Amino acid sequence: AQKVTQAQTEISVVEKEDVTLDCVYETRDTTYYLFWYKQPPSGELVFLIRRNSFDEQNEISGRYSWNFQKSTSSFNFTITASQVVDSAVYFCALRFLYNFNKFYFGSGTKLNVKP
Amino acid sequence: EAQVTQNPRYLITVTGKKLTVTCSQNMNHEYMSWYRQDPGLGLRQIYYSMNVEVTDKGDVPEGYKVSRKEKRNFPLILESPSPNQTSLYFCASSLPGLAGEDTQYFGPGTRLTVL
Repeated sequence: AQKVTQAQTEISVVEKEDVTLDCVYETRDTTYYLFWYKQPPSGELVFLIRRNSFDEQNEISGRYSWNFQKSTSSFNFTITASQVVDSAVYFCALRFLYNFNKFYFGSGTKLNVKP
Repeated sequence: EAQVTQNPRYLITVTGKKLTVTCSQNMNHEYMSWYRQDPGLGLRQIYYSMNVEVTDKGDVPEGYKVSRKEKRNFPLILESPSPNQTSLYFCASSLPGLAGEDTQYFGPGTRLTVL
């Protein structure tokens, strides 16, 4: 069963636009961890953020912000004033406390930022 | 420099010819894991290892083997590769930390083509 859903396969925006990448997850557990990773065209995976299920505070890091809502099982990622360097594939991932050795990744959202 | 290395980075082989993809980390991490990335499917976990001589299956272990004889190395073995194992493979490592709190560091990826 799909545990992490990233419904947006590909998004294209023009530089300086804001863009939100959606992530919806499934779990019956009360304790879990959510992650976002970036995969630029060069192919490596870059860790962006980790959030545990007890902490529903939204987080902002420069142009990046994350909106965690347990009520809707969503962990959305917003890039403000997008730049060409933000072009990448972004993955959302989920890890459970009861079996923390396993990671479940979404299918990814490809973001194209055009100049 | 803290890093996870994989070799080879690119490999083209033929069906049935045994191959090994090596993974090594220099961070003294206990946890290591292998993933494959396929279009539209994101990353799927193949195998993981909690420590030396401790390995377990992820979501897609069929056709793969692993071993963990030393803490730093976690090779992925394809005894009889088939075309459906053509994929991009990532190795990752992390400290266990508090369950779920650790950050995974990913290798640069190995692009495997099985003809």
